[in-house]
Amino acid sequence: AQKVTQAQTEISVVEKEDVTLDCVYETRDTTYYLFWYKQPPSGELVFLIRRNSFDEQNEISGRYSWNFQKSTSSFNFTITASQVVDSAVYFCALSESSGGTSYGKLTFGQGTILTVHP
Amino acid sequence: DAGVIQSPRHEVTEMGQEVTLRCKPISGHDYLFWYRQTMMRGLELLIYFNNNVPIDDSGMPEDRFSAKMPNASFSTLKIQPSEPRDSAVYFCASSLAGGSFNEQFFGPGTRLTVL
Repeated sequence: AQKVTQAQTEISVVEKEDVTLDCVYETRDTTYYLFWYKQPPSGELVFLIRRNSFDEQNEISGRYSWNFQKSTSSFNFTITASQVVDSAVYFCALSESSGGTSYGKLTFGQGTILTVHP
Repeated sequence: DAGVIQSPRHEVTEMGQEVTLRCKPISGHDYLFWYRQTMMRGLELLIYFNNNVPIDDSGMPEDRFSAKMPNASFSTLKIQPSEPRDSAVYFCASSLAGGSFNEQFFGPGTRLTVL
């Protein structure tokens, strides 16, 4: 069975600090997808990034960057120069391939509550 | 483009009452999901549909829960009878299958309180 672990329940930083959110996953599939979602205080879930298991290139999008390492089954998320607006719950999720399609059910981690203080 | 639409946004009901949550997926999406979020259990997948057909309902907690998708643009999640432990935020999400784009787009959620 697939599993996603976000060991950090809560993180508190001061604005402009860099912060890394950890995500470790377990799966028996060789083809799978990893995701990060953001849930701001308003409650909606916002998609941030998707990465497939064959692409280990790190990705940078503005202040956000993601480090995918298959060898350690980790998909960590770093926010550089954090801002108050980054305060949210961040979820890592895993989707396994289903049959011949690239689709599978999403399994979410427990989430990390990030608070950025001014 | 409209995102996933859920109604109502908030629902307060008394134990034993029937509750119906509604969802309109993004037009053209052929997968629809119902999730429940609680503090204790986090985000749990309840059921999902492909082309209006239920594919996996193993996450539905018990027979009091049922879900339907009569057409491509509408789905309901019904709880009958409701119990206080059903209090949670219920999210609907939709996605396109296949290819390399299968991220799920979530609705704003329905916050259900059962007294």
